[in-house]
Amino acid sequence: DGGITQSPKYLFRKEGQNVTLSCEQNLNHDAMYWYRQDPGQGLRLIYYSQIVNDFQKGDIAEGYSVSREKKESFPLTVTSAQKNPTAFYLCASSNGANVLTFGAGSRLTVL
Amino acid sequence: KQEVTQIPAALSVPEGENLVLNCSFTDSAIYNLQWFRQDPGKGLTSLLLIQSSQREQTSGRLNASLDKSSGRSTLYIAASQPGDSATYLCAVSDMNSNSGYALNFGKGTSLLVTP
Repeated sequence: DGGITQSPKYLFRKEGQNVTLSCEQNLNHDAMYWYRQDPGQGLRLIYYSQIVNDFQKGDIAEGYSVSREKKESFPLTVTSAQKNPTAFYLCASSNGANVLTFGAGSRLTVL
Repeated sequence: KQEVTQIPAALSVPEGENLVLNCSFTDSAIYNLQWFRQDPGKGLTSLLLIQSSQREQTSGRLNASLDKSSGRSTLYIAASQPGDSATYLCAVSDMNSNSGYALNFGKGTSLLVTP
């Protein structure tokens, strides 16, 4: 079945550590996105990539980094510079202005 | 910047009722509008996509309408069931955005359907 796989589902981080969230899709979609969701908030765009080897900052990119070396993969690194990283992270993909398909999410907690 | 607002923030109805969720957006220059469902602790599931040239889309008991000129969309759920309990999110793909086709989301409406 085609879809998006995010891992890990749950992740705990100590302050000062970098962590990387994985996102893999087998939908052959060109565009991939990372969103952050906080309780009572809508989803906010962190980074997006419209094509391999290219990515752009979204609304809240500070403290995060990404790479897009393969069409299928768009990992997100939460760096120690992100002051409030505890959140639910959602990866999505699409082809152009079509239906956005989401993964199941990764919940990051800072200890 | 595009702002998406959903009203009400929360809604509780008895099983069997028909209901309407509302979504408004400030910039009518959109590619499309999408409605999603989110269960607690889960990812988002796409329900309906309405392209900017369309007025409505239907899937089963769900009907979504789009009035682009007034910046409004509604999601109509017929004969609600307890399994419909979830958060419903509205999002628009904005032509004036500098984020490609990325969606701008509302904060959602939390729906509870009681038996």
